[in-house]
Order: sequence, then structure tokens, then C-alpha cells
Amino acid sequence: ELKVEQNPLFLSMQEGKNYTIYCNYSTTSDRLYWYRQDPGKSLESLFVLLSNGAVKQEGRLMASLDTKARLSTLHITAAVHDLSATYFCAVDVSQGAQKLVFGQGTRLTINP
Amino acid sequence: KAGVTQTPRYLIKTRGQQVTLSCSPISGHRSVSWYQQTPGQGLQFLFEYFSETQRNKGNFPGRFSGRQFSNSRSEMNVSTLELGDSALYLCASSPGQINSPLHFGNGTRLTVT
Repeated sequence: ELKVEQNPLFLSMQEGKNYTIYCNYSTTSDRLYWYRQDPGKSLESLFVLLSNGAVKQEGRLMASLDTKARLSTLHITAAVHDLSATYFCAVDVSQGAQKLVFGQGTRLTINP
Repeated sequence: KAGVTQTPRYLIKTRGQQVTLSCSPISGHRSVSWYQQTPGQGLQFLFEYFSETQRNKGNFPGRFSGRQFSNSRSEMNVSTLELGDSALYLCASSPGQINSPLHFGNGTRLTVT
């Protein structure tokens, strides 16, 4: 059974600092997604990573995918309070047929 | 463009009852997926429909069922509700092509008492 594991699960950091969230998965897949969820809200798509070595950046967030290591990272640069949220990675296990297995989520709190 | 709409937003039911949740996808999206989110189990895949056909199903008991209509709207039904069915049920839509991200609705919060 596919497992998707994120770490850390909880992260409290100061504004202006850099940090990385890790997402490991246990089976072959070349499609990985990152989502953001604010408290009481739905999931917002951040990145779609489609191949080995893929790197995507949006503002202070950058995501990468290493399919050989079965590892994706979400790097936060110079964090700001507005980035406080729960971040999920998800692996497509259906070869594009929209069945995703999600990680546990990383709750990120950024303190002023 | 309107987003994914789920109704109702909140629902309180009693054990043993059944419930139907509704999802209207983004216009033009032909794939609708359903996920259950709980604090203990996280986000778990229920099923996915594309052009009225179920393409994938998760590991949930047969009490959980769904369908999709010709206009791509989808419903999810849970029969004989149990306390453990209390959760946030999220619907997501996509064009259905490989590599399309899912667009999630705001969810239906189901409480079973």
C-alpha cells in the first residue's frame, strides 16, 4: 500500500527564515501535487510536479521532485505570516486518473 | 468562473440515517472526485467519476456510494450512518486530463450523533 509521509508535521518558525518541508512516498509515481489549506477552508492547488527533476516556484515557495529518491520538497524562503497554513503533498497513484494519496499535512505557523 | 460548489455546507444526522451530498464542478470539468477528511485519518480518497463512469474507488465500505450525472454534477450517498462517518467531505473537479490539478470545493461538514 502506498504511503506518503511528510515531515515535519508541525513547524513553527520566525518571519524571514527559510525552511523545507519533505514529502517521501513509497511507490513509483511521476506526478506529485502540493496543496495549501487554511483553517476552515478548502484545499488550494500550489504546484503540479510531473517529472523527475521538476522544479516550480511561486513567490516565496519552491517545490521540487526527485522520482528516483521518491522525494519532493517544498522550500519556503524568507517566510511571512501569510504563509501560515497546512501544506499537503499528494501522489497520483492512478496514472492520471485523479486518484491521489495525501500526506498527513504539515501545519506551518509563522510568527512575526 | 465559478468554483466547485458543494451543498449543504453543514449537516447533522443521527446514526442509522442516510445522507446525500451534492457537488457541482467547475464548468467544463468532467472529472469529479470525493475525499473524506478527518483529524485521525487525514485526507482519504473515496471515488472518482469521469463522464458518468466511476474510474476509481477507495477503500471504503459499500455504504459509501456516488454517481455522476450527464451535466457532470455528482452526488455522494452514505447509508446507515455511523459515528465514525463524521468528517469533512470534499469534492474536487478537474478537466480529467492527465496532469490536471484538482480544484476543491469548500466541503460539507457532516456530524453524526
